[in-house]
Amino acid sequence: RKEVEQDPGPFNVPEGATVAFNCTYSNSASQSFFWYRQDCRKEPKLLMSVYSSGNEDGRFTAQLNRASQYISLLIRDSKLSDSATYLCVVTGQAGTALIFGKGTTLSVSS
Amino acid sequence: NAGVTQTPKFQVLKTGQSMTLQCAQDMNHNSMYWYRQDPGMGLRLIYYSASEGTTDKGEVPNGYNVSRLNKREFSLRLESAAPSQTSVYFCASSEGWGGVGVDTQYFGPGTRLTVL
Repeated sequence: RKEVEQDPGPFNVPEGATVAFNCTYSNSASQSFFWYRQDCRKEPKLLMSVYSSGNEDGRFTAQLNRASQYISLLIRDSKLSDSATYLCVVTGQAGTALIFGKGTTLSVSS
Repeated sequence: NAGVTQTPKFQVLKTGQSMTLQCAQDMNHNSMYWYRQDPGMGLRLIYYSASEGTTDKGEVPNGYNVSRLNKREFSLRLESAAPSQTSVYFCASSEGWGGVGVDTQYFGPGTRLTVL
């Protein structure tokens, strides 16, 4: 099993849609979880950290299920500007590295 | 604040040539990292420096060397470039020290390297 797996997409949705991305990770000892956003030909930027109790930042909601080793990102009321690749990131073995998923591509159209 | 800066932005090398990628951060961060990003592979850690004066190998260190010149600067050197090193290289930094920590990593704009 790969360390971090994501559905690559692309997810093509209209403006205003709700879309959810999923991510699974293999290291049960991982302690920290993040979603990063990467625009085309740009650097990754932190979107939000993911906490055990779940957390929300505006239209974005992140959930963590440690038992199933599963992370999700929900985007409500999608905007054109949400079009990007979303990277699921977890700490690796012994907490010594950040492991990046390959990313899920979202395209929001008008 | 410029954040994390990288030079050059683009580079084309011939097989066997050497070059150094430069990275600097002005956020007084302790840890710095070098990643490569290839299509379909995601970001992979090459080397990191958890504090000034220390460097450690990441997932894909072969063919690379690094130098943590001071707290601000972390360079990546390709001694004898190979076509397999064609990639986009990102430098990143984070506030924490003592390991590849749990705090936010801030990335530079990347260097697009092609090795012919």
